[in-house]
Amino acid sequence: KNEVEQSPQNLTAQEGEFITINCSYSVGISALHWLQQHPGGGIVSLFMLSSGKKKHGRLIATINIQEKHSSLHITASHPRDSAVYICAVSGTGNQFYFGTGTSLTVIP
Amino acid sequence: KAGVTQTPRYLIKTRGQQVTLSCSPISGHRSVSWYQQTPGQGLQFLFEYFSETQRNKGNFPGRFSGRQFSNSRSEMNVSTLELGDSALYLCASSSTARSYNEQFFGPGTRLTVL
Repeated sequence: KNEVEQSPQNLTAQEGEFITINCSYSVGISALHWLQQHPGGGIVSLFMLSSGKKKHGRLIATINIQEKHSSLHITASHPRDSAVYICAVSGTGNQFYFGTGTSLTVIP
Repeated sequence: KAGVTQTPRYLIKTRGQQVTLSCSPISGHRSVSWYQQTPGQGLQFLFEYFSETQRNKGNFPGRFSGRQFSNSRSEMNVSTLELGDSALYLCASSSTARSYNEQFFGPGTRLTVL
């Protein structure tokens, strides 16, 4: 049983398309994190949120605490957005749980 | 500010050996967490240290251990290496004791066990 489920696992989009990645979780959380991992392994934290919505450039993250669901949106996608996007939650017991990631490829 | 650094970046060991990985957090950060990433299991939480104390531990055998020094630098040790320990080991630092604070990741140490 996975505490964090992500969909889709793989996503291919044309440059300029609007992209949505979904994350559902089953544990009580203190916060939800969206991470980006490029080939080679480096991970960057994109968002940390516990309610509502956050926006940074072309990226938007939303969370619905009641439904235990979060979405990451990328507007006007670009080939440099190609990466693996990982949803992670900080459990109320200080544990970290990770989704399996969504591999995004944006084609020029 | 310099980011999180990890050494070494790559390591090759044989079964039965032990290994020590090092992580230097961002200056001023007192929380360091360690993660293992494998193709099969994805990212998994190993443990977290804050002010030299292990605050939380994931579901890994006792062969995996760690410590944190007074300058917040952290090391993790894996003894009696197994083939399945081949993975990317990532550490992340955070500025506060609360685990839901933003984490800053290092580049990782890629361990290969032969």
